[in-house]
Amino acid sequence: DTEVTQTPKHLVMGMTNKKSLKCEQHMGHRAMYWYKQKAKKPPELMFVYSYEKLSINESVPSRFSPECPNSSLLNLHLHALQPEDSALYLCASSQEAGAGAKTDTQYFGPGTRLTVL
Amino acid sequence: GNSVTQMEGPVTLSEEAFLTINCTYTATGYPSLFWYVQYPGEGLQLLLKATKADDKGSNKGFEATYRKETTSFHLEKGSVQVSDSAVYFCALLSSNTGKLIFGQGTTLQVKP
Repeated sequence: DTEVTQTPKHLVMGMTNKKSLKCEQHMGHRAMYWYKQKAKKPPELMFVYSYEKLSINESVPSRFSPECPNSSLLNLHLHALQPEDSALYLCASSQEAGAGAKTDTQYFGPGTRLTVL
Repeated sequence: GNSVTQMEGPVTLSEEAFLTINCTYTATGYPSLFWYVQYPGEGLQLLLKATKADDKGSNKGFEATYRKETTSFHLEKGSVQVSDSAVYFCALLSSNTGKLIFGQGTTLQVKP
């Protein structure tokens, strides 16, 4: 089973709202990722968690706040977003992460389509 | 640095036509190479992968061979179907940073 699940599937929020995106995997993977994908573009890496610790933050604005409560769950807390933050947010997982994880395959979830009004 | 270049789309083919989507890469070290497919309104699905030179990845009739001498990983399928219409992303996993580097994506449209 190589399934990564994400909720909600769609989310509409105002610029003053606080919301959270959730991601879950039960493959025993120790690395989890958040990506942002704009229409007709490839995914852009936002955050990487390895063994429940944040290992990479790609200079993402603080209005995006990731959290990894345990090795199976990954959240992305959203606050005071801008309309340009509207995008598809993808979660992924892999067995390991980092420079030593040469052959590791990332498995993606279906994404959350976020619209900021 | 690491980068991936894909042929620009969209690519439009008739059903049962032969498909080639070109992908070349620049990398330090020895990356693993991947093809992902994204159907409309969905996330990315792993299509196939290769982890070392001369490896051939294959899945659902798609194939790609890791060619170190030409730094290429071209995607091929002998006979496409309407259901293959999607965006295809070539990607490399950097052995230096562990990051997945994507090409720009190629949109394939297959007409009946």
